[in-house]
Amino acid sequence: NAGVTQTPKFRILKIGQSMTLQCTQDMNHNYMYWYRQDPGMGLKLIYYSVGAGITDKGEVPNGYNVSRSTTEDFPLRLELAAPSQTSVYFCASSSSGLAADTQYFGPGTRLTVL
Amino acid sequence: TQLLEQSPQFLSIQEGENLTVYCNSSSVFSSLQWYRQEPGEGPVLLVTVVTGGEVKKLKRLTFQFGDARKDSSLHITAAQPGDTGLYLCAGAVEYGNKLVFGAGTILRVKS
Repeated sequence: NAGVTQTPKFRILKIGQSMTLQCTQDMNHNYMYWYRQDPGMGLKLIYYSVGAGITDKGEVPNGYNVSRSTTEDFPLRLELAAPSQTSVYFCASSSSGLAADTQYFGPGTRLTVL
Repeated sequence: TQLLEQSPQFLSIQEGENLTVYCNSSSVFSSLQWYRQEPGEGPVLLVTVVTGGEVKKLKRLTFQFGDARKDSSLHITAAQPGDTGLYLCAGAVEYGNKLVFGAGTILRVKS
């Protein structure tokens, strides 16, 4: 079972460039999430989606955009990369929005902005 | 903003020792989850506690949710080198299963 897959695994961007981080899940989960993890800071929620066509902001949405055209895919877009966006990005999914439900995480994308 | 304070930040112990990691907040959470993360991988769920005062055991790991659902602890008995990793606590807030994460505890168990 693939679970949650993310591409690319690593990427280096120059300031001002744009890119899309891809996330796909094959578990037919309705809920999907994007987090960023900075050293010593834990994970912070960027955006989340409760189903195809529905997205909402998390704790740190500035500088990012998302879309959810299908149940499987939840891409994260960086339009004008800044050094502050250097981080490791994780996509996750869960079958429901219940607080006790398990979130399944992808392997992450390590992004460096120079 | 709801915050989870996790302590200690780093822990280096010898094989066979016991340890406890704490996760504290001034906010009430619907549930508290503990994750373990290996380098280069995403977090993997260890356990979810939902009821105030709840205690769950997973082999040598014991998880407790505070009575007021504001704090939690992870106790490892007789730590082994295979327990080495980053341990994260996360509180679920509101409907939508949005998680607030602690900063993590890096555990190193030396043989």
